[in-house]
Amino acid sequence: DGGITQSPKYLFRKEGQNVTLSCEQNLNHDAMYWYRQDPGQGLRLIYYSQIVNDFQKGDIAEGYSVSREKKESFPLTVTSAQKNPTAFYLCASSILGESSYNSPLHFGNGTRLTVT
Amino acid sequence: DAKTTQPPSMDCAEGRAANLPCNHSTISGNEYVYWYRQIHSQGPQYIIHGLKNNETNEMASLIITEDRKSSTLILPHATLRDTAVYYCIVRLLFKPANAGGTSYGKLTFGQGTILTVHP
Repeated sequence: DGGITQSPKYLFRKEGQNVTLSCEQNLNHDAMYWYRQDPGQGLRLIYYSQIVNDFQKGDIAEGYSVSREKKESFPLTVTSAQKNPTAFYLCASSILGESSYNSPLHFGNGTRLTVT
Repeated sequence: DAKTTQPPSMDCAEGRAANLPCNHSTISGNEYVYWYRQIHSQGPQYIIHGLKNNETNEMASLIITEDRKSSTLILPHATLRDTAVYYCIVRLLFKPANAGGTSYGKLTFGQGTILTVHP
């Protein structure tokens, strides 16, 4: 089945450590996104990428970094500089191109990160 | 992105139609209305989207007012599994990277409506 896989589902880290969240898609989508969700809140965009080796900051990029070395993969690193890293992190992807101006985003099932 | 306003919560009896309203009074001509839902601890699931005409698919119907300032998502026969947070989103027109410009397929999520379907 095609889809987006985020791993692990739950992740625990000590404060001051960097941690990398995995996101892989086999949908052949060009664009990939990272969102963060806090309890009772909507989703906020962290980073997005439209093409391999290129990515752009979203609304809350501080304390995060990403890479896009392969079309299928868009890992997110939560660095020690992120002041409130405990959250639910969601990865998404979508088609790009003239015929898909309004293609919906497909989401993974998220990684819940807890930093203590 | 145009801002959307939704009621924080709604209830619906199982088997009845659930009608979820959304106001988007600042929507511009090229912005689509999207609906997603999120079941607890899962990723959001796409439901439906539309521009100005009413739309229907296997999951739901979307009714957009003539002035496009509001819309209603209709789940015709709600089941217990439809209990979720429903998000109404107005999306920027997306331009591919090779067309120039820096627009992107950003979705701005508000807090949504918690729909509870009860027996």
